[in-house]
Amino acid sequence: DGGITQSPKYLFRKEGQNVTLSCEQNLNHDAMYWYRQDPGQGLRLIYYSQIVNDFQKGDIAEGYSVSREKKESFPLTVTSAQKNPTAFYLCASSTDSYNQPQHFGDGTRLSIL
Amino acid sequence: GQQLNQSPQSMFIQEGEDVSMNCTSSSIFNTWLWYKQDPGEGPVLLIALYKAGELTSNGRLTAQFGITRKDSFLNISASIPSDVGIYFCAGLNNAGNMLTFGGGTRLMVKP
Repeated sequence: DGGITQSPKYLFRKEGQNVTLSCEQNLNHDAMYWYRQDPGQGLRLIYYSQIVNDFQKGDIAEGYSVSREKKESFPLTVTSAQKNPTAFYLCASSTDSYNQPQHFGDGTRLSIL
Repeated sequence: GQQLNQSPQSMFIQEGEDVSMNCTSSSIFNTWLWYKQDPGEGPVLLIALYKAGELTSNGRLTAQFGITRKDSFLNISASIPSDVGIYFCAGLNNAGNMLTFGGGTRLMVKP
């Protein structure tokens, strides 16, 4: 089945460690996105990529990094510089056509030990 | 950045009742989207609206794109227990590549 796969579902990190969240899509979508969701709040954009080997900062990019080496993959690294990393992280993708909706994966919940 | 004000923040209703929620913005959007999120899952697209004034239905759900392009509402008729979840509105910017989300409406349905 086509879709967006995020892994792992739950992730624990020790303070001072970097951790990488995986996002893979087989929808042949050009654009991919990472969002952060805190309890009881909406989604905030971290990074997005509209084409391979190119990505742009969103509203809350500090403490995060991404890469887009393949069309189907857009991993997010939460670095030790992110002081409050505990959150629910959501990956999304969309076609490159104008005004097309984004479709989401099932998320990764990151917690600090 | 752009802000979307979504209301109400939460609703607790009886099964069978109709529900209405809305979003307003200080900026114009070209597309309005409505998503539903279940606990621990990603948001699922319910309805997409592409033209000012557009009224679109998806089963018991009806959504409208405001004529000013700065607001949208979502109605759910004859609510059932599986309607429970968080509903988000989202607006696509003029470039059509960035979403701004409302804060969500948490819906609880009493059987």
